[in-house]
Amino acid sequence: GAGVSQSPRYKVAKRGQDVALRCDPISGHVSLFWYQQALGQGPEFLTYFQNEAQLDKSGLPSDRFFAERPEGSVSTLKIQRTQQEDSAVYLCASSGGSGASTDTQYFGPGTRLTVL
Amino acid sequence: SQQGEEDPQALSIQEGENATMNCSYKTSINNLQWYRQNSGRGLVHLILIRSNEREKHSGRLRVTLDTSKKSSSLLITASRAADTASYFCATDARDDKIIFGKGTRLHILP
Repeated sequence: GAGVSQSPRYKVAKRGQDVALRCDPISGHVSLFWYQQALGQGPEFLTYFQNEAQLDKSGLPSDRFFAERPEGSVSTLKIQRTQQEDSAVYLCASSGGSGASTDTQYFGPGTRLTVL
Repeated sequence: SQQGEEDPQALSIQEGENATMNCSYKTSINNLQWYRQNSGRGLVHLILIRSNEREKHSGRLRVTLDTSKKSSSLLITASRAADTASYFCATDARDDKIIFGKGTRLHILP
């Protein structure tokens, strides 16, 4: 079956623009995660959904970052008024479990965001 | 914030040799995972070891965990060109999130 997909794969934005990044999780997966990965670093947790409920958004770096999953499947990460420090790869992952750390997470290919 | 720290940061070995990477972490854990990331397949889960386990095998992978030293190692035997990738350890946080280290970049030389 299809894995996790993300779009666009690459996004270039001018500083101050708003961007929207899409994640299509594996069909039927309850849990969905967003991570931010800076160059040369490991992924850092941003937010977590269980179905349509956003249960943890403690990793979102500022109120410019907003995520939603209105129907419990596709999710969108929106960044308003982008800044250069937002440049990173944004990874989405889904799992079939309830989000426990022991559940295997399946990652998408990521969206590379470059803010000029 | 990153709890795990991999060592070395980068490693180059000849194809066919064994590769060993280490991960140290700071606070107690329930489990530790290893992931691989390359440009072709993205970030892929390799293996999970629980705090009450000392060693686990999966194909050419062998993971050890020493909770007294707060460290883990990943051994890849008989390395192949396709093993070229970055390898991350990830530990569970108190709130059940996983926290990734900075990774070891492994390069297999032909």
